Amino acid sequence: AQSVAQPEDQVNVAEGNPLTVKCTYSVSGNPYLFWYVQYPNRGLQFLLKYITGDNLVKGSYGFEAEFNKSQTSFHLKKPSALVSDSALYFCAVRDTGSGAGSYQLTFGKGTKLSVIP
Amino acid sequence: DAGVIQSPRHEVTEMGQEVTLRCKPISGHDYLFWYRQTMMRGLELLIYFNNNVPIDDSGMPEDRFSAKMPNASFSTLKIQPSEPRDSAVYFCASTSSFAEAFFGQGTRLTVV
Repeated sequence: AQSVAQPEDQVNVAEGNPLTVKCTYSVSGNPYLFWYVQYPNRGLQFLLKYITGDNLVKGSYGFEAEFNKSQTSFHLKKPSALVSDSALYFCAVRDTGSGAGSYQLTFGKGTKLSVIP
Repeated sequence: DAGVIQSPRHEVTEMGQEVTLRCKPISGHDYLFWYRQTMMRGLELLIYFNNNVPIDDSGMPEDRFSAKMPNASFSTLKIQPSEPRDSAVYFCASTSSFAEAFFGQGTRLTVV
């Protein structure tokens, strides 16, 4: 079965500092990996994805993530955090080895990011 | 496209009543998902459809929960009878085969 782990429930970072939100995954086949952000009382918004190709993917709002197959990780990063980045961040994985027609999209428990002015 | 549209945005109902949540996916998407979000359990996949056919309903908590997708532009999630522990935010999402999922704004359900 596929799974996603976000080891930190909360990450605090000072405004202007780099931020990292960690994610590791487990799948049987090749993964499709996603990051989503959720602001209070809102739905999940897509940030970026890794399907294939370059291990470093860039997404919305200056975020990027690096796919590391050997460490089965897909950490979210941003060089300089903004107060407006404060939100709940979810990592998700889809196992491409789960069969035709299957779209098992599994989410981590989420990491609350607080950017301190 | 207006995105995934869910209704109602908020629902307050009494225990034992039937509740129906509605979802209109993005046109052209062939996958539709229903998720439930709570503080305790996070984001849980309840059921998903491919081309209007339920593929995996193993996340549906009990027989009180049912979901239908009568056509490509509409789906419902029904809870009958509702219980206080069903209180949560329910999300609908849609996607096509090789893309990311797009989420609706959610329905906040409160069962009193």
